[in-house]
Amino acid sequence: DQQVKQNSPSLSVQEGRISILNCDYTNSMFDYFLWYKKYPAEGPTFLISISSIKDKNEDGRFTVFLNKSAKHLSLHIVPSQPGDSAVYFCAARKASTDSWGKLQFGAGTQVVVTP
Amino acid sequence: SAVISQKPSRDICQRGTSLTIQCQVDSQVTMMFWYRQQPGQSLTLIATANQGSEATYESGFVIDKFPISRPNLTFSTLTVSNMSPEDSSIYLCSGSGGNEQFFGPGTRLTVL
Repeated sequence: DQQVKQNSPSLSVQEGRISILNCDYTNSMFDYFLWYKKYPAEGPTFLISISSIKDKNEDGRFTVFLNKSAKHLSLHIVPSQPGDSAVYFCAARKASTDSWGKLQFGAGTQVVVTP
Repeated sequence: SAVISQKPSRDICQRGTSLTIQCQVDSQVTMMFWYRQQPGQSLTLIATANQGSEATYESGFVIDKFPISRPNLTFSTLTVSNMSPEDSSIYLCSGSGGNEQFFGPGTRLTVL
């Protein structure tokens, strides 16, 4: 049962433009959401996160938006750079101490930034 | 942020054998985990590595197949036992402290 869904397996965007990655979840017990970037042959690298008490979190070129009522979050990358070409994973965590660190991951979105 | 290293980075193994993967964290983390990423799929949690006690396994994963040790706060091992081609995956160690969670580079396992 896939509780975190990334329905776009790939995204192509021109350098300098905005990349928008989407993620939907089904479990209302999730209270913390993370985005990871993964290059081939490397482990996922933490990008940005958001708590369910917020609807927006910004860090440099990366902004994550959370719409709890829609169980939807998105990652915006502005402006996109060639080094942003990677697989991006959305992950979610439940609000309980025994779930700390137990992340549910989406399937990932392959982003390609073209010159 | 914590830096996590894994050994080996990759291996090719014969069916029926076992492989032990080591994970070292450069600083103390509260919790350590093992994940698996099968070809073309997302990351799936195998178990939580508990210091000095038996690991806590997720549904679908058992200790006989994936024995895990964590003798101290910064080191853990995962063994993939009696391997079959279906075990071909990337195995990732993860550590968390506070709200952040970090991953090692992964061990790419191919079982022939």
